[in-house]
Amino acid sequence: EPEVTQTPSHQVTQMGQEVILRCVPISNHLYFYWYRQILGQKVEFLVSFYNNEISEKSEIFDDQFSVERPDGSNFTLKIRSTKLEDSAMYFCASMVQYSNQPQHFGDGTRLSIL
Amino acid sequence: EDQVTQSPEALRLQEGESSSLNCSYTVSGLRGLFWYRQDPGKGPEFLFTLYSAGEEKEKERLKATLTKKESFLHITAPKPEDSATYLCAVIDNNNDMRFGAGTRLTVKP
Repeated sequence: EPEVTQTPSHQVTQMGQEVILRCVPISNHLYFYWYRQILGQKVEFLVSFYNNEISEKSEIFDDQFSVERPDGSNFTLKIRSTKLEDSAMYFCASMVQYSNQPQHFGDGTRLSIL
Repeated sequence: EDQVTQSPEALRLQEGESSSLNCSYTVSGLRGLFWYRQDPGKGPEFLFTLYSAGEEKEKERLKATLTKKESFLHITAPKPEDSATYLCAVIDNNNDMRFGAGTRLTVKP
C-alpha cells in the first residue's frame, strides 16, 4: 500500500539554526499538509498546500516557517532560526483530491532543538 | 471556534472487555469526522471517515458511529494489539482539520 515517507526520522539542531524536513507524499495525491505534535499534546495543523501554493495556514505557521514542493515528488518544511519550543514531532500528510477525504500521514520527524 | 473533545483520556481494558470511546465536537459545518489510530513514535493511521449523522462504519473489532454532536468508537472484544491512542478529527466548511487530544487505550491480556 502506498505511504507517505518522511526524512529524517530524528533531527537534532542547535537553537538558531535552520532545518528542512522532507516528505514524499503518495504519488497521486494533490493536497499536502504539515502538522506538529508537541510531546503529550494534540496534533496541530500548520499548513496546507495545493497547486503549488499555500491554501490554508494556522497562526502557528508564522514567518519562521515556509513550505516548498521543489520537484514532482518532495514536499518540504523549512524552519528558520529554530527555537527551543519548536521541539516536536512534525507530520506530513497527503490527500487525494476532495477536502473531506482522509489525509494519510507519514511517521513523522522528531525535531529536537538544543 | 471549532472544538473536539475526546473522553476518556485513558482507558484500560482486559482482553475481551468491550467498551466505547467518545468524541464530541462543535464545528461550523461538519464536512467529515475521522478516526485515526496512533502507535507510539508513529504517525496517525487512518481508520474511518463519517460524513453524516446516523452513519456507521466497521472494521474488524472496531465500529464508528456519528450523531450531530458526537461520535463513538466501539471496540468489541479487544485484543492487546488494539492498544494505541485513538484520535478523532473533524474538517469544517473552511477545510480546517482539528484533532482531539486522543484516548490512550491499553488492553491487558
